[in-house]
Amino acid sequence: EAGVAQSPRYKIIEKRQSVAFWCNPISGHATLYWYQQILGQGPKLLIQFQNNGVVDDSQLPKDRFSAERLKGVDSTLKIQPAKLEDSAVYLCASSSHRGYDEQFFGPGTRLTVL
Amino acid sequence: GENVEQHPSTLSVQEGDSAVIKCTYSDSASNYFPWYKQELGKGPQLIIDIRSNVGEKKDQRIAVTLNKTAKHFSLHITETQPEDSAVYFCAASGFQKLVFGTGTRLLVSP
Repeated sequence: EAGVAQSPRYKIIEKRQSVAFWCNPISGHATLYWYQQILGQGPKLLIQFQNNGVVDDSQLPKDRFSAERLKGVDSTLKIQPAKLEDSAVYLCASSSHRGYDEQFFGPGTRLTVL
Repeated sequence: GENVEQHPSTLSVQEGDSAVIKCTYSDSASNYFPWYKQELGKGPQLIIDIRSNVGEKKDQRIAVTLNKTAKHFSLHITETQPEDSAVYFCAASGFQKLVFGTGTRLLVSP
């Protein structure tokens, strides 16, 4: 079974630029999550999708972050404009159902904002 | 909302020793407690989890205990090996949203 795929693996941008991350979850997984992991901290949930609908985006800075999951499969997370404090690893995870099923994480995208 | 504290932040042991990592949570409604292992450059990987109707769970060298009254849970690794070296995260989930601890860097020396 293929795991969660993410791209790119690394990205360096200047502040105020925009950036987008892509995630392909495990086939058949209905729930998809985007986390932000700042160096030395645990992952923090940004947004959770159930199929192509948003379940929880309470911690997503909506003035600059946006995410979509078209057709309930792949997802993209966008930051526009980026700030220095957005430097972090952005992790995508998926699970078969919403709730207490195991979340499978991708390798993450390391973003550096200069 | 939920808040999860994790200790220690770093833990160094000799190969073969046991390692214990402790977490406390704040929301009494939380009822699912997974533990993740994260190796350098990789995403977290689930190693064991426990639900609130169980007090202890074991899987080979790894065990987790849960004390709902005190709102704390612990990860126990016995007979540690160098390949156990990684960052370990505890997490708690109430309304289907995982809140992670700050992580413990475990170093197992040969």
